[in-house]
Amino acid sequence: KAGVTQTPRYLIKTRGQQVTLSCSPISGHRSVSWYQQTPGQGLQFLFEYFSETQRNKGNFPGRFSGRQFSNSRSEMNVSTLELGDSALYLCASSVTGRVAEAFFGQGTRLTVV
Amino acid sequence: TQLLEQSPQFLSIQEGENLTVYCNSSSVFSSLQWYRQEPGEGPVLLVTVVTGGEVKKLKRLTFQFGDARKDSSLHITAAQPGDTGLYLCAGAHSSNTGKLIFGQGTTLQVKP
Repeated sequence: KAGVTQTPRYLIKTRGQQVTLSCSPISGHRSVSWYQQTPGQGLQFLFEYFSETQRNKGNFPGRFSGRQFSNSRSEMNVSTLELGDSALYLCASSVTGRVAEAFFGQGTRLTVV
Repeated sequence: TQLLEQSPQFLSIQEGENLTVYCNSSSVFSSLQWYRQEPGEGPVLLVTVVTGGEVKKLKRLTFQFGDARKDSSLHITAAQPGDTGLYLCAGAHSSNTGKLIFGQGTTLQVKP
């Protein structure tokens, strides 16, 4: 059974640009959550999607957005990139999201220069 | 604010020693997870505890959930170099589906 797949693994962008990251959950998993991990703040919840609907949202500015498709694959978008957006972005999938037994992908390392 | 305080942040020990990592909160969680993360990789789930007072064992690792479901501990017996990594606790509230609150993590180094 394939795990959670995130693409790309590494990304370098310039300040002001926008970026889209992709997450393919484990087959049968309908919940996808996104997290940002930085050395200073640790792992912080961005948002969760379930059946194409955003069900929960963390305390991030509106520059951070996401969506989920009918096959449960999810994308997150960050517009007008700032240096502080440099981080490891992780997605996690679970069957329903309720028990929160999340399986994480390997992450996308975003560097903003 | 729903915070999870994890301690210690850093731990460097010799092979064969025992250690305990603590995870504390003022908030009640419906479940609490422990993860281990290697550099540049995503966290890997070690265990989930859901019942107050619950104790789970995974080889040399023992996990305990506090009676009030506000705190948890991870105890490693006879640590080995292969245990080196970042250990994260994460709590879930029943009202926040899909959302995990993470502790800051404990970086463990086990020297041979």
